[in-house]
Amino acid sequence: GNSVTQMEGPVTLSEEAFLTINCTYTATGYPSLFWYVQYPGEGLQLLLKATKADDKGSNKGFEATYRKETTSFHLEKGSVQVSDSAVYFCALIPPLFNKFYFGSGTKLNVKP
Amino acid sequence: DVKVTQSSRYLVKRTGEKVFLECVQDMDHENMFWYRQDPGLGLRLIYFSYDVKMKEKGDIPEGYSVSREKKERFSLILESASTNQTSMYLCASTQSRRLAGTYEQYFGPGTRLTVT
Repeated sequence: GNSVTQMEGPVTLSEEAFLTINCTYTATGYPSLFWYVQYPGEGLQLLLKATKADDKGSNKGFEATYRKETTSFHLEKGSVQVSDSAVYFCALIPPLFNKFYFGSGTKLNVKP
Repeated sequence: DVKVTQSSRYLVKRTGEKVFLECVQDMDHENMFWYRQDPGLGLRLIYFSYDVKMKEKGDIPEGYSVSREKKERFSLILESASTNQTSMYLCASTQSRRLAGTYEQYFGPGTRLTVT
């Protein structure tokens, strides 16, 4: 089947710390992979994506690399800011599907 | 920019009421989705639609129905609201998978529904 597992939160970091949020998946075929971010009181926004193995998605200082051999898509940022405090969702869509599969979300708190 | 709008940001209803949540997208997307979001459970798919008048059940359709009479509008209906339907409801849309290029979901801002 198709599923996404991401690390449980909350994750609490100090400003300028290094961030990693782990995401692993199981999927039919070779899925496209996504990270979405949800700021307080808002809907989800696409943060970055990767559509094939070894692709690196990046946006706003965040990066994630599609690792087929480890079925992972970990989110990283070198130096987090207070404004990065949000809930982060890893997601996939299998080829030929119209349905997305989301992880349970990881809440990030960044303290000044 | 793609825009997905939802009719209300906050809604308070009484048990047993019929509740309508409306979603409109302006990008001519074929596919539309309704999710509910609860703490610790992430996003759960209620229903989705891949064309006008077409619908498919998601993971938790019980207690809900949907309507898609026009391509841009997708409505979620709670036939008889119950307290366990208190949640955040998110609408999303995507273009058809048949079209090449980027394929991502665009979300509305959400409706926080409280049933008392």
